[in-house]
Amino acid sequence: QVQLQESGPGLVKPSQTLSLTCTVSGASISSGGYYWSWIRQHPGTGLEWIGYIYYSGGYYNNPSLKSRITISVDTSKNQFSLNLYSVTAADTAVYYCARAETTVPTYWFDPWGQGTLVTVSS
Amino acid sequence: QSVLTQPPSVSGAPGQRVTISCTGSSSNIGAVYDVHWYQQLPGTAPKLLIYGNSNRPSGVPDRFSASKSGTSASLAITGLQAEDEADYYCQSYDSSLSGSLFGGGTKLTVL
Repeated sequence: QVQLQESGPGLVKPSQTLSLTCTVSGASISSGGYYWSWIRQHPGTGLEWIGYIYYSGGYYNNPSLKSRITISVDTSKNQFSLNLYSVTAADTAVYYCARAETTVPTYWFDPWGQGTLVTVSS
Repeated sequence: QSVLTQPPSVSGAPGQRVTISCTGSSSNIGAVYDVHWYQQLPGTAPKLLIYGNSNRPSGVPDRFSASKSGTSASLAITGLQAEDEADYYCQSYDSSLSGSLFGGGTKLTVL
């Protein structure tokens, strides 16, 4: 059974960098066949796709965030990570990691991590 | 602007049938891209409910079904149960975004 778990600080100061890691268990990222994704949910609102990465390192980002994010993968640790730069209060959200299965070019997300709330505040 | 539009809320009595619509455009649902649906129970992460327009993952009851036509898709829930009370989201790929797009979500209330 594939499981994903987000980890990282729950509080980030404005203008700083939000860094999260997703640890995958029950499957190997380096096996290929899936994309590994970040999705966020602002308080009380809907879901926003952030981006996804393949085990080889190629990734795709939401254009609305593209200039502020990097996504990376560490196959030796079976983890992938998100860095979101120059955060503001508008980046306060629950951040989820998820596995993306694809029949190109469409993707669906399953399973999801439990999510981690990140608050941007001084 | 890339948008998938869902009704903010729907409701139904136990045992009834409800549908949730998801309206897109020619750059997403109206193109060749599949629609997927998620259920988010209160305080939990979203869970895949339907993938590839109409396919149920293992473990999802057959009370849940979905379809796609033109630039819209719909999720149907029959034999409504109290445990179905949740937020439901549609999702597709958008060629303008070059990525995934979620609907705004629909809150289902079981009366």
